[in-house]
Amino acid sequence: EVVLTQSPATLSVSLGERAILSCRASQSVSSNLAWYQQRPGQSPRLLIYDASTRATGIPARFSGSGSATEFTLTISSLQSEDFAVYFCQQYNRWPRTFGQGTKVDLK
Amino acid sequence: EVKVLDSGGDLVRPGGSLRLSCVVSGFTFSSYAMSWVRQAPGRGLEWVATAGGSGAATYYRDSVKGRFTISRDNSKNTVYLQMNSLGPEDTAVYYCAKTRGAVVGTSFDYWGQGTLVTVSS
Repeated sequence: EVVLTQSPATLSVSLGERAILSCRASQSVSSNLAWYQQRPGQSPRLLIYDASTRATGIPARFSGSGSATEFTLTISSLQSEDFAVYFCQQYNRWPRTFGQGTKVDLK
Repeated sequence: EVKVLDSGGDLVRPGGSLRLSCVVSGFTFSSYAMSWVRQAPGRGLEWVATAGGSGAATYYRDSVKGRFTISRDNSKNTVYLQMNSLGPEDTAVYYCAKTRGAVVGTSFDYWGQGTLVTVSS
């Protein structure tokens, strides 16, 4: 199965700062990668699909990049509602797999 | 407006069975694959199963093959997850999720609120 490794496990950021999250795949997933945000007590929310396309209603401060095995989620200017856990997910191969998550918290 | 409402979670003894349900609205149900994703307490997300739009194509993670069955009733806009031979490792919040496109198994664009399954004696 495709193993997705996210780094760092925790990212401490100040309001207004930029956050860069990484997701590395154990084998190529082409551009078949998505990013999700999960706030405490809530369901996951799709942010990015196909590695770089923002989902409906997602603010422009969220951007995704990468292909094959290296992917990045960038939040250009952290807002208070962005403090959450972020997961990447590949849908290139079965079984579908998720990364272990990166928690973005307040510095 | 798309709505996904999952239910059916409960406390069940090891070896027991449970059926989860997920009722959706706001889109043409039969045109989209539906999936179940679970999250053990304090843990990450784990894909469980996917059913294609007609229900004919189904996919499972290895650890649930032969124990779980995903099915759907397109006349009721409902997807099910029948879970048998449950073990403590199946304890999790189970989310029903809609796939973004018509292709089976793409990203998940709408999620239910989750339903808690606890397997314990």
